[in-house]
Amino acid sequence: SQKIEQNSEALNIQEGKTATLTCNYTNYSPAYLQWYRQDPGRGPVFLLLIRENEKEKRKERLKVTFDTTLKQSLFHITASQPADSATYLCALHRLSGYSTLTFGKGTMLLVSP
Amino acid sequence: DTGVSQDPRHKITKRGQNVTFRCDPISEHNRLYWYRQTLGQGPEFLTYFQNEAQLEKSRLLSDRFSAERPKGSFSTLEIQRTEQGDSAMYLCASSPRRDSQETQYFGPGTRLLVL
Repeated sequence: SQKIEQNSEALNIQEGKTATLTCNYTNYSPAYLQWYRQDPGRGPVFLLLIRENEKEKRKERLKVTFDTTLKQSLFHITASQPADSATYLCALHRLSGYSTLTFGKGTMLLVSP
Repeated sequence: DTGVSQDPRHKITKRGQNVTFRCDPISEHNRLYWYRQTLGQGPEFLTYFQNEAQLEKSRLLSDRFSAERPKGSFSTLEIQRTEQGDSAMYLCASSPRRDSQETQYFGPGTRLLVL
C-alpha cells in the first residue's frame, strides 16, 4: 500500500540556519507532490508544488527537490526565522480514485532566536 | 473572497449525540473535500465532491457519517451517534476546477470533542 514518511521528531534549528525536511514514499509513483504548512489549531496552507518531471522548485526562501528514483522530496527553508516554526506536511497525489491528496504525518520545525 | 470557512469552530458533545458541521468553500471552487485530523497525524481523506456530486468516500467514513453538498456550494458533514473515537479536527478544503494539480485551500477546521 502507499506509504508516506516524514521525520517524526521535531527539528530544532537556530535562526538564520537552513532547515531541511524530508518526505519519503513507497509503493507509489505520484505525478506531483505538494508541501503545506500548518500552525497549531489551523488548517494547512499550501506552499509549493513540484511535478515528477521537475527536479527543483523555488519560492522566495523555500526550495523543494523531488527525486523520483529515491522516492524522496526535500524541503528547504533558508535563512530560517522564528516565524517559520510550524508543522510542515508533505502531500502526494493519490494513485487511485479521484484526484485527492494523501498527506504525511508532518514534521514540526522549531526555529529558536 | 474570505477563503474557506467552517462552522462551528469547536463542538463538545456527549457520546451518542448527533453533530453537524458546515463548510463554505471559496466561491466558484467546484471541488470540495472533507478530512479528519487527529493529534500528531496528517489530514486523512474522508470524502470528495465535484459540484453537488459526491464522487468518492473513504473507507474511514462509516455509516454513521454522511456528507452533502446540495446545491454545489456549501457542504455539511453529519456524524450520528457520536463515539469518543470521533474526537478530532474536521477539515474542509476546496479547489478550483481549472487547477489540475489539485492545490487545496483549507478552512480553519472544526474541533470535535466527544465526552
